[in-house]
Amino acid sequence: EIVLTQSPGTLSLSPGERATLSCRASQSVSSSYLAWYQQKPGQAPRLLIYGASSRATGIPDRFSGSGSGTDFTLTISRLEPEDFAVYYCQQYGSSQTFGQGTKVEIK
Amino acid sequence: QVQLQESGPGLVKPSETLSLTCAVSGYSISSGYYWGWIRQPPGKGLEWIGSIYHSGSTYYNPSLKSRVTISVDTSKNQFSLKLSSVTAADTAVYYCARHVKVNWFDPWGQGTLVTVSS
Repeated sequence: EIVLTQSPGTLSLSPGERATLSCRASQSVSSSYLAWYQQKPGQAPRLLIYGASSRATGIPDRFSGSGSGTDFTLTISRLEPEDFAVYYCQQYGSSQTFGQGTKVEIK
Repeated sequence: QVQLQESGPGLVKPSETLSLTCAVSGYSISSGYYWGWIRQPPGKGLEWIGSIYHSGSTYYNPSLKSRVTISVDTSKNQFSLKLSSVTAADTAVYYCARHVKVNWFDPWGQGTLVTVSS
Protein backbone atom coordinates (compact mmCIF):
# COMPACT_ATOMS: atom_id res chain seq x y z
CA GLU A 1 0.00 0.00 0.00
CA ILE A 2 1.28 3.46 -0.88
CA VAL A 3 1.38 5.66 2.22
CA LEU A 4 1.00 9.41 1.71
CA THR A 5 2.55 11.75 4.27
CA GLN A 6 1.41 15.36 4.22
CA SER A 7 3.36 18.22 5.73
CA PRO A 8 3.11 20.36 7.63
CA GLY A 9 0.26 19.17 9.80
CA THR A 10 -0.89 22.74 10.30
CA LEU A 11 0.02 25.86 8.33
CA SER A 12 -0.69 29.23 9.97
CA LEU A 13 -0.86 32.01 7.42
CA SER A 14 -2.58 35.34 6.80
CA PRO A 15 -4.93 36.16 3.93
CA GLY A 16 -2.94 37.20 0.87
CA GLU A 17 0.02 34.97 1.73
CA ARG A 18 1.23 32.02 -0.31
CA ALA A 19 0.57 28.49 0.95
CA THR A 20 2.75 25.53 0.00
CA LEU A 21 1.52 22.07 1.02
CA SER A 22 3.53 18.90 0.58
CA CYS A 23 2.45 15.32 -0.07
CA ARG A 24 5.15 12.67 -0.07
CA ALA A 25 4.51 9.07 -1.17
CA SER A 26 6.19 5.97 0.25
CA GLN A 27 6.81 4.76 -3.31
CA SER A 28 6.55 6.29 -6.73
CA VAL A 29 3.03 7.22 -7.83
CA SER A 30 2.61 6.00 -11.39
CA SER A 31 1.75 8.50 -14.10
CA SER A 32 1.31 11.29 -11.56
CA TYR A 33 -1.95 9.76 -10.45
CA LEU A 34 -2.48 12.21 -7.61
CA ALA A 35 -5.41 14.41 -6.58
CA TRP A 36 -5.96 17.16 -4.03
CA TYR A 37 -9.15 17.94 -2.11
CA GLN A 38 -10.32 20.77 0.11
CA GLN A 39 -12.56 20.08 3.10
CA LYS A 40 -14.26 22.70 5.23
CA PRO A 41 -15.83 21.90 8.64
CA GLY A 42 -19.04 19.93 8.32
CA GLN A 43 -18.69 19.61 4.55
CA ALA A 44 -17.67 16.90 2.13
CA PRO A 45 -14.30 17.10 0.41
CA ARG A 46 -14.19 19.01 -2.88
CA LEU A 47 -11.89 18.05 -5.74
CA LEU A 48 -9.31 20.71 -6.54
CA ILE A 49 -6.60 19.01 -8.61
CA TYR A 50 -6.29 15.70 -10.48
CA GLY A 51 -3.44 14.23 -12.47
CA ALA A 52 -1.10 16.11 -10.11
CA SER A 53 -1.57 19.44 -11.92
CA SER A 54 -4.95 19.68 -13.67
CA ARG A 55 -7.49 21.96 -12.01
CA ALA A 56 -11.00 20.60 -11.59
CA THR A 57 -13.92 22.47 -13.10
CA GLY A 58 -14.61 25.79 -11.39
CA ILE A 59 -11.44 25.82 -9.30
CA PRO A 60 -9.75 29.26 -9.21
CA ASP A 61 -6.34 29.56 -10.81
CA ARG A 62 -4.73 30.55 -7.50
CA PHE A 63 -4.71 26.79 -6.82
CA SER A 64 -1.96 24.88 -8.60
CA GLY A 65 -0.49 21.41 -8.28
CA SER A 66 2.92 20.10 -9.23
CA GLY A 67 5.25 17.19 -8.71
CA SER A 68 5.89 13.63 -9.82
CA GLY A 69 7.25 10.36 -8.52
CA THR A 70 7.11 10.60 -4.75
CA ASP A 71 6.92 14.36 -4.13
CA PHE A 72 3.89 16.50 -4.85
CA THR A 73 2.94 20.06 -3.94
CA LEU A 74 -0.27 22.05 -3.76
CA THR A 75 0.27 25.81 -3.93
CA ILE A 76 -2.29 28.48 -3.17
CA SER A 77 -0.78 31.65 -4.60
CA ARG A 78 -2.68 34.17 -2.47
CA LEU A 79 -4.92 32.93 0.31
CA GLU A 80 -8.49 34.13 0.28
CA PRO A 81 -10.63 33.92 3.47
CA GLU A 82 -12.55 30.96 2.01
CA ASP A 83 -9.34 28.96 1.49
CA PHE A 84 -8.78 28.26 5.19
CA ALA A 85 -9.61 24.56 5.40
CA VAL A 86 -8.09 21.09 5.51
CA TYR A 87 -6.43 19.75 2.37
CA TYR A 88 -5.96 16.09 1.49
CA CYS A 89 -3.95 14.39 -1.20
CA GLN A 90 -5.02 11.07 -2.74
CA GLN A 91 -3.07 8.68 -4.94
CA TYR A 92 -4.86 6.40 -7.37
CA GLY A 93 -1.92 4.78 -9.10
CA SER A 94 -2.06 1.71 -6.87
CA SER A 95 -5.46 1.19 -5.28
CA GLN A 96 -6.59 4.38 -3.51
CA THR A 97 -5.06 6.00 -0.45
CA PHE A 98 -5.29 9.42 1.14
CA GLY A 99 -2.87 11.52 3.12
CA GLN A 100 -3.70 12.51 6.69
CA GLY A 101 -4.38 16.13 5.77
CA THR A 102 -2.89 19.60 6.24
CA LYS A 103 -4.91 22.24 8.02
CA VAL A 104 -4.48 25.78 6.73
CA GLU A 105 -5.51 28.13 9.52
CA ILE A 106 -5.67 31.88 9.90
CA LYS A 107 -2.64 33.31 11.65
CA GLN B 1 -25.46 18.58 -12.34
CA VAL B 2 -24.73 15.31 -10.59
CA GLN B 3 -25.83 15.10 -6.97
CA LEU B 4 -25.45 12.26 -4.49
CA GLN B 5 -27.31 11.70 -1.23
CA GLU B 6 -26.51 9.09 1.41
CA SER B 7 -29.19 7.55 3.59
CA GLY B 8 -29.41 4.88 6.26
CA PRO B 9 -29.44 4.26 10.01
CA GLY B 10 -27.31 6.59 12.10
CA LEU B 11 -26.81 4.02 14.85
CA VAL B 12 -25.70 0.41 14.46
CA LYS B 13 -24.98 -2.11 17.19
CA PRO B 14 -21.58 -3.82 17.45
CA SER B 15 -21.31 -7.08 15.46
CA GLU B 16 -24.26 -6.08 13.24
CA THR B 17 -24.22 -4.98 9.59
CA LEU B 18 -24.08 -1.34 8.55
CA SER B 19 -26.24 -0.61 5.49
CA LEU B 20 -26.25 2.63 3.52
CA THR B 21 -27.68 3.73 0.19
CA CYS B 22 -26.54 6.49 -2.13
CA ALA B 23 -29.16 8.01 -4.43
CA VAL B 24 -27.79 9.65 -7.57
CA SER B 25 -29.62 12.45 -9.38
CA GLY B 26 -28.73 14.42 -12.48
CA TYR B 27 -26.96 11.46 -14.08
CA SER B 28 -27.93 7.91 -14.97
CA ILE B 29 -25.67 5.36 -13.29
CA SER B 30 -26.27 3.12 -16.32
CA SER B 31 -24.43 5.65 -18.51
CA GLY B 32 -21.09 4.80 -16.98
CA TYR B 33 -18.53 5.72 -14.31
CA TYR B 34 -17.65 3.88 -11.16
CA TRP B 35 -19.35 4.94 -7.92
CA GLY B 36 -17.59 4.75 -4.59
CA TRP B 37 -17.80 4.84 -0.81
CA ILE B 38 -15.31 6.67 1.41
CA ARG B 39 -15.40 7.10 5.17
CA GLN B 40 -13.94 9.52 7.70
CA PRO B 41 -13.78 8.74 11.44
CA PRO B 42 -14.49 11.79 13.60
CA GLY B 43 -11.52 14.15 13.53
CA LYS B 44 -9.52 11.86 11.26
CA GLY B 45 -8.61 11.38 7.63
CA LEU B 46 -10.28 9.71 4.67
CA GLU B 47 -10.38 6.00 3.84
CA TRP B 48 -11.63 4.54 0.58
CA ILE B 49 -13.95 1.57 1.12
CA GLY B 50 -14.77 0.38 -2.37
CA SER B 51 -16.35 1.19 -5.73
CA ILE B 52 -18.79 -0.33 -8.21
CA TYR B 53 -19.52 -0.01 -11.94
CA HIS B 54 -23.07 0.00 -13.33
CA SER B 55 -22.47 -3.54 -14.57
CA GLY B 56 -21.89 -4.66 -10.99
CA SER B 57 -18.12 -4.97 -11.24
CA THR B 58 -16.60 -4.12 -7.86
CA TYR B 59 -13.28 -2.97 -6.51
CA TYR B 60 -12.62 -3.04 -2.76
CA ASN B 61 -10.05 -1.76 -0.29
CA PRO B 62 -8.05 -4.89 0.59
CA SER B 63 -8.12 -3.99 4.29
CA LEU B 64 -11.94 -4.06 4.36
CA LYS B 65 -12.70 -6.51 1.57
CA SER B 66 -13.73 -9.39 3.81
CA ARG B 67 -16.52 -7.32 5.39
CA VAL B 68 -17.71 -5.14 2.49
CA THR B 69 -20.38 -5.65 -0.13
CA ILE B 70 -21.28 -2.90 -2.60
CA SER B 71 -24.23 -3.35 -4.95
CA VAL B 72 -25.98 -1.25 -7.57
CA ASP B 73 -29.65 -0.84 -8.51
CA THR B 74 -29.79 0.89 -11.88
CA SER B 75 -33.61 0.91 -11.89
CA LYS B 76 -33.55 3.15 -8.82
CA ASN B 77 -30.36 4.95 -9.86
CA GLN B 78 -28.67 4.14 -6.59
CA PHE B 79 -25.91 2.03 -5.10
CA SER B 80 -25.49 0.56 -1.64
CA LEU B 81 -22.91 -0.38 0.96
CA LYS B 82 -23.02 -3.19 3.48
CA LEU B 83 -20.30 -3.51 6.10
CA SER B 84 -20.57 -6.54 8.34
CA SER B 85 -19.38 -7.28 11.88
CA VAL B 86 -18.99 -3.64 12.78
CA THR B 87 -17.11 -2.36 15.82
CA ALA B 88 -16.62 1.07 17.35
CA ALA B 89 -13.72 1.57 14.92
CA ASP B 90 -16.26 1.70 12.10
CA THR B 91 -17.86 4.84 13.54
CA ALA B 92 -17.41 7.47 10.84
CA VAL B 93 -19.01 9.84 8.40
CA TYR B 94 -19.68 7.78 5.29
CA TYR B 95 -19.56 9.53 1.94
CA CYS B 96 -20.57 8.34 -1.49
CA ALA B 97 -18.99 9.84 -4.59
CA ARG B 98 -18.57 9.39 -8.32
CA HIS B 99 -15.27 7.61 -8.86
CA VAL B 100 -14.05 9.07 -12.12
CA LYS B 101 -12.17 6.46 -14.20
CA VAL B 102 -11.52 4.69 -10.86
CA ASN B 103 -9.20 7.60 -10.19
CA TRP B 104 -10.35 10.74 -8.41
CA PHE B 105 -13.67 11.30 -6.61
CA ASP B 106 -16.00 14.02 -7.88
CA PRO B 107 -18.58 15.01 -6.80
CA TRP B 108 -19.26 13.81 -3.24
CA GLY B 109 -22.45 13.42 -1.27
CA GLN B 110 -22.86 15.44 1.92
CA GLY B 111 -22.04 12.42 4.08
CA THR B 112 -23.89 10.62 6.85
CA LEU B 113 -22.62 9.88 10.34
CA VAL B 114 -22.89 6.27 11.44
CA THR B 115 -22.18 5.51 15.08
CA VAL B 116 -21.50 1.97 16.24
CA SER B 117 -22.67 1.58 19.81
CA SER B 118 -24.84 -0.66 21.92
